[in-house]
Amino acid sequence: DSGVTQTPKHLITATGQRVTLRCSPRSGDLSVYWYQQSLDQGLQFLIQYYNGEERAKGNILERFSAQQFPDLHSELNLSSLELGDSALYFCASRGTGRSGYTFGSGTRLTVV
Amino acid sequence: GNSVTQMEGPVTLSEEAFLTINCTYTATGYPSLFWYVQYPGEGLQLLLKATKADDKGSNKGFEATYRKETTSFHLEKGSVQVSDSAVYFCALKDNNDMRFGAGTRLTVKP
Repeated sequence: DSGVTQTPKHLITATGQRVTLRCSPRSGDLSVYWYQQSLDQGLQFLIQYYNGEERAKGNILERFSAQQFPDLHSELNLSSLELGDSALYFCASRGTGRSGYTFGSGTRLTVV
Repeated sequence: GNSVTQMEGPVTLSEEAFLTINCTYTATGYPSLFWYVQYPGEGLQLLLKATKADDKGSNKGFEATYRKETTSFHLEKGSVQVSDSAVYFCALKDNNDMRFGAGTRLTVKP
């Protein structure tokens, strides 16, 4: 157990729908990062939050949004889903200094 | 901007063979360098790291040395096992920005 919890582990939904992925960071970590991993695109950085505020944006579509709550958990909202959104979505958290990221086990999203 | 380029896979080796997965980087400043491993069905796990030039990171028999002169951080293991089959990601972090390589899939056959 890495200390980063992601739910749900698996999600199957239809095109056009909206889903919410949840992430609880490791205790004490203020930074949360969201990544998308698909077969042909590798690991793509989506967005970062630090202590409730958006810090950096990567290749995140306008149909996607995220937020980090006062208790530091984060949610990634994916709307108007398309088949191409099927992927593994990872959340990672980071402590201070030169530490690396701690990843959750991911949510596998399948859009049918 | 910062970037990481790693050896394309897949890599297939026999058990007890020597492993090298190449990784080179481009960065301004003095990044920290990492290797992450992703076992089937799991998230990425930190394998090893190095925070400054000439540092050697090591873990579970894997090693990588931070070479500033060649901007490289190649991953090596002297004798791989079937249980090392996974996808390996090289990454760099400079200030707030973590960049991952595309990943290299390693399969070790008995």
